[in-house]
Amino acid sequence: DAGVTQSPTHLIKTRGQQVTLRCSPKSGHDTVSWYQQALGQGPQFIFQYYEEEERQRGNFPDRFSGHQFPNYSSELNVNALLLGDSALYLCASSFLWGLSGYTFGSGTRLTVV
Amino acid sequence: KNEVEQSPQNLTAQEGEFITINCSYSVGISALHWLQQHPGGGIVSLFMLSSGKKKHGRLIATINIQEKHSSLHITASHPRDSAVYICAAFSNTGNQFYFGTGTSLTVIP
Repeated sequence: DAGVTQSPTHLIKTRGQQVTLRCSPKSGHDTVSWYQQALGQGPQFIFQYYEEEERQRGNFPDRFSGHQFPNYSSELNVNALLLGDSALYLCASSFLWGLSGYTFGSGTRLTVV
Repeated sequence: KNEVEQSPQNLTAQEGEFITINCSYSVGISALHWLQQHPGGGIVSLFMLSSGKKKHGRLIATINIQEKHSSLHITASHPRDSAVYICAAFSNTGNQFYFGTGTSLTVIP
């Protein structure tokens, strides 16, 4: 039973570019949450998707957007990349908002140069 | 002030020592999670607690709901326990996690 799969694992982008990160949730999970983890910091909540809609959003600008597909997989898009967007982006999946627990992916390491 | 505070930030122990990591939170929670993150970045969920105590092998997690405090204990620590341990409070209102900044544990042989 595959856990949460994120792609790519590493990515280097230039300031001003756009990036798309992908997440496939654990089998049986229907909710996907995205987190940004800067170096040496705890993860920060970006947003959560359920039934193809953004249900909750953290304190991130509109440059950060997402999507959830009918198969529950999700994308995180970041436009107009800034150097400060360099971080580990984690995806976590759950069933019904995580009442029975979460499964985390290994993350995508984004470096903006 | 962060919603979740962890201590210590860094911890070095000799193999075999008993280790305690503390977590205090200020938000209302439906559950408190302890996570383990290795240098590659992947996170593994160790425990999900809403009351009392849970044990898994050499790991023990406790929570005091009234005091809004949780602890993670590692008995007979081993170098393979070296990792960052993160406390995460799952909000009972916003359906989201609030994370501590993590405790970086190094166990020396």
